[in-house]
Amino acid sequence: GENVEQHPSTLSVQEGDSAVIKCTYSDSASNYFPWYKQELGKGPQLIIDIRSNVGEKKDQRIAVTLNKTAKHFSLHITETQPEDSAVYFCAAVMNEKLTFGTGTRLTIIP
Amino acid sequence: GAVVSQHPSRVICKSGTSVKIECRSLDFQATTMFWYRQFPKQSLMLMATSNEGSKATYEQGVEKDKFLINHASLTLSTLTVTSAHPEDSSFYICSADGQGATDTQYFGPGTRLTVL
Repeated sequence: GENVEQHPSTLSVQEGDSAVIKCTYSDSASNYFPWYKQELGKGPQLIIDIRSNVGEKKDQRIAVTLNKTAKHFSLHITETQPEDSAVYFCAAVMNEKLTFGTGTRLTIIP
Repeated sequence: GAVVSQHPSRVICKSGTSVKIECRSLDFQATTMFWYRQFPKQSLMLMATSNEGSKATYEQGVEKDKFLINHASLTLSTLTVTSAHPEDSSFYICSADGQGATDTQYFGPGTRLTVL
């Protein structure tokens, strides 16, 4: 089955700086890659996604890049704010089945 | 749009009792719903895939007789934890496929189950 690795597991960033989270996947058949933000005690919230026919997608301060050849995809958050502090999960989807990465705890330092 | 609710948000029960968790898609119809389990500081693990009108598909290692799933309508799926034990204590989260956007899953707020 699919295996998704995510790095780093924890990340502390000064407010206003950028944060980058990286993921790799194992199965080249995966064709959809969502990113979720999870706050304490809540369900994951979809923040951005990318499909395998696209290399980059941006939504305001958030961007995602995908390298299909290398099976890498990354989340970039610019101009970080305290409310960006949360756990972020990448995921790879194949045949409707979603495999999550191990998560990154992002802390924004005021 | 694409709002998923869960009820209850928290439940505490005695060992040996059964607990039912409801998952509803509020503003869209979901042919497929998914049930996940999350332990503290860990990722979400898929337990089963629930298709409306048919039997759920369970992941390897998940006991189907212990975790009963019913998906009787396009907006409601239920997970019943039967004969719950302390090791079943966890955060249970459902998701639903967004209508018109294949593979996009929208998650509910989760249910915290504590078995005493």
